[in-house]
Amino acid sequence: DGGITQSPKYLFRKEGQNVTLSCEQNLNHDAMYWYRQDPGQGLRLIYYSQIVNDFQKGDIAEGYSVSREKKESFPLTVTSAQKNPTAFYLCASSPPGMDTQYFGPGTRLTVL
Amino acid sequence: AQTVTQSQPEMSVQEAETVTLSCTYDTSENNYYLFWYKQPPSRQMILVIRQEAYKQQNATENRFSVNFQKAAKSFSLKISDSQLGDTAMYFCAFMKRFIQGAQKLVFGQGTRLTINP
Repeated sequence: DGGITQSPKYLFRKEGQNVTLSCEQNLNHDAMYWYRQDPGQGLRLIYYSQIVNDFQKGDIAEGYSVSREKKESFPLTVTSAQKNPTAFYLCASSPPGMDTQYFGPGTRLTVL
Repeated sequence: AQTVTQSQPEMSVQEAETVTLSCTYDTSENNYYLFWYKQPPSRQMILVIRQEAYKQQNATENRFSVNFQKAAKSFSLKISDSQLGDTAMYFCAFMKRFIQGAQKLVFGQGTRLTINP
C-alpha cells in the first residue's frame, strides 16, 4: 500500500535526551514536511525539504534537526535544546506539481 | 504574515442536519490555496476539500462544499446530511508558495464538531 508512515506512535523521553522520529513515504513525493501540534491548537511548521540533501527551517525550528538523505525518508531529531518538546508531531509530503499535502498518522512525544 | 482565524471553537448538531464552519484569513497574496482538514480522534489529518484562489467556482466533494468569498477573505465549510463519522476537529488552512517552490500550510486553531445521534 502507498502511504506515509511514522514511527513510533508513542514515544517517551527523559529530559536531556535526544530522540529521533521516523517518517517514510512510498508515494514518490518530492517535498516532505514536519509539523508540531500542541493541545487545542493548529499545526506549526518545523522543517521542510523540497529535494534530497536540501531542507529549510520553518517557523519553529529551534531545538530540532532533520536530514534528507533519501527521497523516501525525512527523520526529525528533537534535541535537548528544545525547551518544551511534549507535543504531537505530524509528517506530511506532497507530490510535484500538486499543491496539496498529505499527512502521516503522527507521533505523540512525551518528555518525562 | 498570513493568519487564519476560526471563530467557532466548538459546534454541535444533530445527525442529518447541515452545519457550516467559518474561516477567515488575512493575506496580501493573490495566488494561494485554501484547505479544510479533518482530524478525528485518531489524530490523523485527513484532507476534506481544497480550493484554488483563482477559481471562482466553489469546490464540492460529496456532502462537503465551501463558500469561498475572496474579497471578504472568507472560506466556510458546509457539511450536508451530517453523519456520526463527521465528528472531529476541523482545521482551515492557507497555503502560499515559497520562492523555492515549497509549500507552507498555515492553520487555524480548529473547530471541534460533534454530531449527536
